[in-house]
Amino acid sequence: GAVVSQHPSWVICKSGTSVKIECRSLDFQATTMFWYRQFPKQSLMLMATSNEGSKATYEQGVEKDKFLINHASLTLSTLTVTSAHPEDSSFYICSASRFVNPEGGANVLTFGAGSRLTVL
Amino acid sequence: AQTVTQSQPEMSVQEAETVTLSCTYDTSESDYYLFWYKQPPSRQMILVIRQEAYKQQNATENRFSVNFQKAAKSFSLKISDSQLGDAAMYFCAYRRSSLIIQGAQKLVFGQGTRLTINP
Repeated sequence: GAVVSQHPSWVICKSGTSVKIECRSLDFQATTMFWYRQFPKQSLMLMATSNEGSKATYEQGVEKDKFLINHASLTLSTLTVTSAHPEDSSFYICSASRFVNPEGGANVLTFGAGSRLTVL
Repeated sequence: AQTVTQSQPEMSVQEAETVTLSCTYDTSESDYYLFWYKQPPSRQMILVIRQEAYKQQNATENRFSVNFQKAAKSFSLKISDSQLGDAAMYFCAYRRSSLIIQGAQKLVFGQGTRLTINP
C-alpha cells in the first residue's frame, strides 16, 4: 500500500535556528502534499497545500516566511521552520495525495507518522 | 467554508460493547466525502472508514460502520465489539469532491473524540 515517510520523527533545536522536515511518498507519486500542525490534545490544523512545481498555498494566518514549503519533486515535500521559537514547538504531520482520475473513487490521503519539534 | 463538529471530547466504553461517536458538518455542496480517522498514541493517522455523499448506503468496515444522514448533515461512527486496540483519538473529516479545484483534496477535521476502552 501507499507509504509516506516523514523525517525526522523528533527534533530538538535551539531558539533562532531553522529546522527542515521532509515528507516523502515512497511508492507513489504525490502531486499534492499537505502540511498540518497539531497541538497537544487538539485537532489537526491545515497549514498549507503543496503542489509539485508550484508555490504552496498557505491557510489564513500561517506565516509564509516562517514556514517555508518546497515541493521540488513528485515524491518529496519539505517544511522548513525558520528562526524557530518555543511557540513553534508542535507536532507536524504531512499527508500525500495521489493523482487519480477525477471520475474515479475518493482520493484517499496517506499520512506520515509526524514530526515532533521542540524548540528550546 | 466547510466545518466539522465533534461534540463529544471524550467517550468510554466497556470492552466488547458498542459505542457511537457523533459528528456533524456544515456545507453548501451536494457532493463530498466524509471520513473517520483514528489516531492512536503513536500519533499515526489511520483511515478507519469513508463515505461518499452520493451513496445512500452506509459504509461498513468489519466492526466499524457509519450512520450517514445527509439531510441532517450527520455522520456518526459505530464501533461494535470494542477492543482495547480501539482506544485512540477519533477524528471526523470532510473533503470536497472536486479534484479540479486546487486544494480541494484537503481535509477539514473535527475537534476529535478521545475513546477509552475499559477492560
